[in-house]
Amino acid sequence: EVQLVESGGGLVKPGRSLRLSCTASGFTFDDYAMSWFRQAPGKGLEWLGFIRSKGYGGTTEYAASVKDRFTISRDDSKSIAYLQMNSLKTEDTAVYYCARDIYTYLDNWGQGTLVTVSS
Amino acid sequence: EIVLTQSPGTLSLSPGERATLSCRASQSISTTYLAWYQQKPGQAPRLLIYGASNRATGIPDRFSGSGSGPDFTLTISRLEPEDFAVYYCQQCGSSPRFTFGPGTKVDIK
Repeated sequence: EVQLVESGGGLVKPGRSLRLSCTASGFTFDDYAMSWFRQAPGKGLEWLGFIRSKGYGGTTEYAASVKDRFTISRDDSKSIAYLQMNSLKTEDTAVYYCARDIYTYLDNWGQGTLVTVSS
Repeated sequence: EIVLTQSPGTLSLSPGERATLSCRASQSISTTYLAWYQQKPGQAPRLLIYGASNRATGIPDRFSGSGSGPDFTLTISRLEPEDFAVYYCQQCGSSPRFTFGPGTKVDIK
């Protein structure tokens, strides 16, 4: 069974950094791209970025809204994808999800982790 | 950037009724790049349909997707109590990679 578990969320002050983890199990993590999304309270879904599998170069792409502040990486030896978030703003408050990326759709999602940016 | 519009915003129906949800893209897109998700309160999105009409693994056959070009439809043939949720359409493009519609809430009449 495919499982994705996000962790690392919490309360953080504006301007600080936070790193989220997405721990995968139940599939060959190395073979898949991974995407990150967020959902602000009561709002819709926003794609943040993704990382290709090493077989496709392991490169990343980002949404314009976070490109200069967020970084996605992966550790295939641990089956973990990371989302490094810097210079956090109050508007970054949201539930953050990782998802297995099948290039045209997302077939499995984690349960999400809440990030609250507040002084 | 392709923008997705969903209608109606809210659909109030009774269990057993048919639900028809619409998703319109701001320009024509290939069926390959259109998917539908279900999201219940406090839960992650769940893939229902990919490639506009292909049911994901484990999705009941009361869910079906159709459409082409800019107009797509998700149909739930007979609503079960567990189907009351928010439904999002999603398209895959170049930049940004994934965009979603604003969602249709299906609630109990």
